[in-house]
Amino acid sequence: DAGVIQSPRHEVTEMGQEVTLRCKPISGHDYLFWYRQTMMRGLELLIYFNNNVPIDDSGMPEDRFSAKMPNASFSTLKIQPSEPRDSAVYFCASSQLGTSRVPDTQYFGPGTRLTVL
Amino acid sequence: GEDVEQSLFLSVREGDSSVINCTYTDSSSTYLYWYKQEPGAGLQLLTYIFSNMDMKQDQRLTVLLNKKDKHLSLRIADTQTGDSAIYFCAETDTGFQKLVFGTGTRLLVSP
Repeated sequence: DAGVIQSPRHEVTEMGQEVTLRCKPISGHDYLFWYRQTMMRGLELLIYFNNNVPIDDSGMPEDRFSAKMPNASFSTLKIQPSEPRDSAVYFCASSQLGTSRVPDTQYFGPGTRLTVL
Repeated sequence: GEDVEQSLFLSVREGDSSVINCTYTDSSSTYLYWYKQEPGAGLQLLTYIFSNMDMKQDQRLTVLLNKKDKHLSLRIADTQTGDSAIYFCAETDTGFQKLVFGTGTRLLVSP
């Protein structure tokens, strides 16, 4: 398997622009997570989905952030409008409930480094 | 809510052992994990331990769990320069997929 795929790897945009981050989870995984990593706040869980349904979005910082999962193989995280304080590395991860070998393991993508000028 | 704490930085010499410590507050934690993050990359699972275990060994890695004190440690034997990275501990409850991560410990291994 190719692992979790994220695109783009790097994104530079100007304040006020819309940003869309994309994620393809590992095939067969039924959980998908979006994280944000900054020096100041560390690794924060933004939202997670189970079987394409959002389960917990309490970590989404503001209404400017939205996430969708239209099918089992694709998710987006959108920021509209973007602000300089949104600059961070955004990670997507996926997992499969009930994996007998290593339960609850999350597999991370390489991340998208977002810079908002 | 749950909280996971780690020291921020550790520096060792190549060939020495490294010990990275973690404390957590959630007494119902069922699984505890160690993840490694290399520069410019995502997190990679290193190892995990079930809460009814005290110790787990996996090649150069030894995980110790003191459930009474809610203390988890990761020992890396014969540390190599390639082990330089940020190490995160994380915990989760049974049946819940949500991981709570620590702040991360940056390990620097010098030749």
